[in-house]
Amino acid sequence: DSGVTQTPKHLITATGQRVTLRCSPRSGDLSVYWYQQSLDQGLQFLIQYYNGEERAKGNILERFSAQQFPDLHSELNLSSLELGDSALYFCASSVTSGTNTGELFFGEGSRLTVL
Amino acid sequence: AQSVAQPEDQVNVAEGNPLTVKCTYSVSGNPYLFWYVQYPNRGLQFLLKYITGDNLVKGSYGFEAEFNKSQTSFHLKKPSALVSDSALYFCAVRDIGTGGYNKLIFGAGTRLAVHP
Repeated sequence: DSGVTQTPKHLITATGQRVTLRCSPRSGDLSVYWYQQSLDQGLQFLIQYYNGEERAKGNILERFSAQQFPDLHSELNLSSLELGDSALYFCASSVTSGTNTGELFFGEGSRLTVL
Repeated sequence: AQSVAQPEDQVNVAEGNPLTVKCTYSVSGNPYLFWYVQYPNRGLQFLLKYITGDNLVKGSYGFEAEFNKSQTSFHLKKPSALVSDSALYFCAVRDIGTGGYNKLIFGAGTRLAVHP
């Protein structure tokens, strides 16, 4: 158990809908990262937050957004869903963000299926 | 930009034999390299990392990795494979972006199949 909690574990929805994925980082971790894992794209970095502020952005679509709240949990919002958004979405956390040695601790993921 | 490559989609090995999962990297500056394992329907689990120092890094579950600067490689190894080692293995490199905030860039993954 990594200590990172993600909900829901599974989600099935229709095209055009909006969903929210939730992540609680390990106790004491200030950084939260979101990754998307799909069969054809591998593990893609989406976005990173540190202590409530966005710090790095990867290949995140404009239809997707995220935030980190004062209690450090994070939410990833996916809107106007398309079939291609079906993937496993991982949250990861780490102690700090800047110059730490870098290993991340991953949650079990949220599997999104768009029909 | 930092990147890692895993040249093999799948590696097959017999139980009890040594295994190697390959990774090469391309970085500017000193590399921070990582190996993660993903079991079916699970998240990624950290195995080991290389930051500096000894080129042979020991990690969890009997795995080790050898850092080779001249060949820009960071291959994952285990002396004797177990069927339970069958999983998806990812190599990753730390990428420091503007503002000094780091993230991990992952390779495409290598599926390890250990046969009894």
